[in-house]
Amino acid sequence: AQTVTQSQPEMSVQEAETVTLSCTYDTSESDYYLFWYKQPPSRQMILVIRQEAYKQQNATENRFSVNFQKAAKSFSLKISDSQLGDAAMYFCAYRSISNFGNEKLTFGTGTRLTIIP
Amino acid sequence: DAGVIQSPRHEVTEMGQEVTLRCKPISGHNSLFWYRQTMMRGLELLIYFNNNVPIDDSGMPEDRFSAKMPNASFSTLKIQPSEPRDSAVYFCASSYALAEAGTDTQYFGPGTRLTVL
Repeated sequence: AQTVTQSQPEMSVQEAETVTLSCTYDTSESDYYLFWYKQPPSRQMILVIRQEAYKQQNATENRFSVNFQKAAKSFSLKISDSQLGDAAMYFCAYRSISNFGNEKLTFGTGTRLTIIP
Repeated sequence: DAGVIQSPRHEVTEMGQEVTLRCKPISGHNSLFWYRQTMMRGLELLIYFNNNVPIDDSGMPEDRFSAKMPNASFSTLKIQPSEPRDSAVYFCASSYALAEAGTDTQYFGPGTRLTVL
């Protein structure tokens, strides 16, 4: 079974600075998807960014980018120019792609990000 | 698009009562997922459907939990009888699954916060 580990329960960053959230995972599969979801105090789970394992290029969405290291099974999220609205819980998630019908997301335990004004 | 719709947003009930949570997926999506979020266990998949058929219900905690998807635009998660340990946030998510490639990104509803007294 796949596991996802987020070793930083809490992080804080000064507004406008850059912060990196860590995520590692364990799998025997060669192809899969990885995601970062954001959960603000409203509880809504919001997709931040996704990465297909077969793509070597790191995904980028505006101020959000990932550092995907497949061999190391590492998938970190970098937030540039941090804004107050970025304050939230961030979850890393894994999804198998090899078998249709095996579509569940496996989540890490989350990292609570605080933005310091 | 209205996104995934869940109702009610909050539910408070007494132990032993029946609870029904409702979900309307994004129009056109053919996979639907029910997740539960607790402090102790994090986010965990309860059950998911593809084309209205349950594919994986291994996460359903016990027989008190049941889920149905009578049509492509509606699903329910029922707990009968409810217990205090069922208190959690229940999320519904939907996606569009391609048979040859697995599911695309899951989009989450706002969640239902359930409190069982």
